[in-house]
Amino acid sequence: EAQVTQNPRYLITVTGKKLTVTCSQNMNHEYMSWYRQDPGLGLRQIYYSMNVEVTDKGDVPEGYKVSRKEKRNFPLILESPSPNQTSLYFCASSFGGANQPQHFGDGTRLSIL
Amino acid sequence: DAKTTQPTSMDCAEGRAANLPCNHSTISGNEYVYWYRQIHSQGPQYIIHGLKNNETNEMASLIITEDRKSSTLILPHATLRDTAVYYCIVNTNAGKSTFGDGTTLTVKP
Repeated sequence: EAQVTQNPRYLITVTGKKLTVTCSQNMNHEYMSWYRQDPGLGLRQIYYSMNVEVTDKGDVPEGYKVSRKEKRNFPLILESPSPNQTSLYFCASSFGGANQPQHFGDGTRLSIL
Repeated sequence: DAKTTQPTSMDCAEGRAANLPCNHSTISGNEYVYWYRQIHSQGPQYIIHGLKNNETNEMASLIITEDRKSSTLILPHATLRDTAVYYCIVNTNAGKSTFGDGTTLTVKP
């Protein structure tokens, strides 16, 4: 089944403790992207990757890192999480970019205390 | 990227057609109009997209005006399961993607 898989689905952690949210897709998509969703603010793009080893900032990249060493994986790294990064996170992928239909994961709900 | 404007919320009776409007008056010639929906806090789901011509698939129809400044997503026979937030987006940039606030559609029995 074609899918985008995020792990973990839920995480409660403390300020400053490094964490990684993994994202994997099995559709051989070139493009992957991370979004965060907060009440009243819609979906905001954090980082995106057009292909392996190519990443770029979205609208809200501060406090996040990403890497794209393999086509299928696009982890989101919070080196020193803070409470304002408490949010619902989505990973997405598509064949050719944001102007192609994007497939989204089920989301990761992060709570930073 | 062109900005889109959608009503904040809409209601629709079950079994009737739901018509969701979107204004994208600054759209340029090579920009597609995309529609996604999000049910509760699940990942957004792609519905349909189009450039100039009207489009139809198993989920919905997309009507784009001749001047391309607005579009309407039509769910022909809305069900309770169509209750969701519907996003209309226009992307030129291959990488950046901007979702607005969307329209909350409530389908009522």
